[in-house]
Amino acid sequence: GQQVMQIPQYQHVQEGEDFTTYCNSSTTLSNIQWYKQRPGGHPVFLIQLVKSGEVKKQKRLTFQFGEAKKNSSLHITATQTTDVGTYFCAGKSQTGANNLFFGTGTRLTVIP
Amino acid sequence: DAGITQSPRHKVTETGTPVTLRCHQTENHRYMYWYRQDPGHGLRLIHYSYGVKDTDKGEVSDGYSVSRSKTEDFLLTLESATSSQTSVYFCAINSGGAVYEQYFGPGTRLTVT
Repeated sequence: GQQVMQIPQYQHVQEGEDFTTYCNSSTTLSNIQWYKQRPGGHPVFLIQLVKSGEVKKQKRLTFQFGEAKKNSSLHITATQTTDVGTYFCAGKSQTGANNLFFGTGTRLTVIP
Repeated sequence: DAGITQSPRHKVTETGTPVTLRCHQTENHRYMYWYRQDPGHGLRLIHYSYGVKDTDKGEVSDGYSVSRSKTEDFLLTLESATSSQTSVYFCAINSGGAVYEQYFGPGTRLTVT
């Protein structure tokens, strides 16, 4: 069945360092979304990527969708303490219902 | 935040008892989802609904049932709670539009003793 893997599971960085999380799907995706969950909170939508090779930026965050539409990455430049949380990718299969398959998430800790 | 609430927010129950969690939305969105979140597993889909009385199973549906008699309410029932169902449960909604981002409720922390 559909699987979305995400690495690393945990990442500790010093404030100001960069951070990247990677997402890989076992099948080709129609699109991919990214969510952020603060400690004790609920997932919050960040962005959706649809096109092969697409790159989108939100301030210090850069999102990429692979050419084969099977992988994606989120890169944060110069992390801040407000970036703390768990980042999830979520892919929608090209076939089937309107469901998302969530990755296992990467928990980011930023050390001041 | 989207108008989505969950009740109860916390619950402790005993093994073998039935439990019902409620998700309520004020957005009139067509799609509603129930997920469970466990360490190391991310968010796993239990059941979803694509309209009133239209529901389907997700990847971890065993031991759970759902009902949607009104657009705004989506109920998740644990027919006979087990300790493996101790988890944080999230409800989510989306409109089904071009960017069908999911809006999540605040979650329900369920402990089965």
